[in-house]
Amino acid sequence: GAVVSQHPSWVICKSGTSVKIECRSLDFQATTMFWYRQFPKQSLMLMATSNEGSKATYEQGVEKDKFLINHASLTLSTLTVTSAHPEDSSFYICSAGNRGASYEQYFGPGTRLTVT
Amino acid sequence: QKEVEQDPGPLSVPEGAIVSLNCTYSNSAFQYFMWYRQYSRKGPELLMYTYSSGNKEDGRFTAQVDKSSKYISLFIRDSQPSDSATYLCAMSGTGGGNKLTFGTGTQLKVEL
Repeated sequence: GAVVSQHPSWVICKSGTSVKIECRSLDFQATTMFWYRQFPKQSLMLMATSNEGSKATYEQGVEKDKFLINHASLTLSTLTVTSAHPEDSSFYICSAGNRGASYEQYFGPGTRLTVT
Repeated sequence: QKEVEQDPGPLSVPEGAIVSLNCTYSNSAFQYFMWYRQYSRKGPELLMYTYSSGNKEDGRFTAQVDKSSKYISLFIRDSQPSDSATYLCAMSGTGGGNKLTFGTGTQLKVEL
């Protein structure tokens, strides 16, 4: 299957700082990338959908000014958590697709963010 | 009520047992049904997908979808310790930009 990478895999930051997480599709061009967050023992919650070259579509309740998403190329999307707070600590996972069916999404390994 | 309900477990079974994992859902627009396996601190890995109702088998795994009951199942035969993981069901409609709606996941432990 297709490979999706995320960087960093784990990051600790201080409250009030910003953190950028990268999601890359390594062997295919991803026209659509999805960003999820997952709390311990809970499901993946979709935060936003980004299509290459256009603005991201955020899910209800997700602050677009706090979670900045950029999908500037067909292989790279970034999520920036601005002015992070301890409640933003979570596991962030991206997935990448290429206009195929919904099951043709490939997930990255996730990034664990801890805000102190 | 959540759109997708899944018992979080944990579910503990002996090696070699048949495991049954289930999800129910409320949105009749769902057409694609997926099962993902997620190891601790890793991203989900697609195990199987089914379109509409019916059964699908792949090795030790069988997926079943009953749209009339809004109920899906994943069966694992001859379970192995390496099957120990969290299993997530996910669903989507044919529109909506391929958005997936996930269950909470069932934590499975297969013991020697």
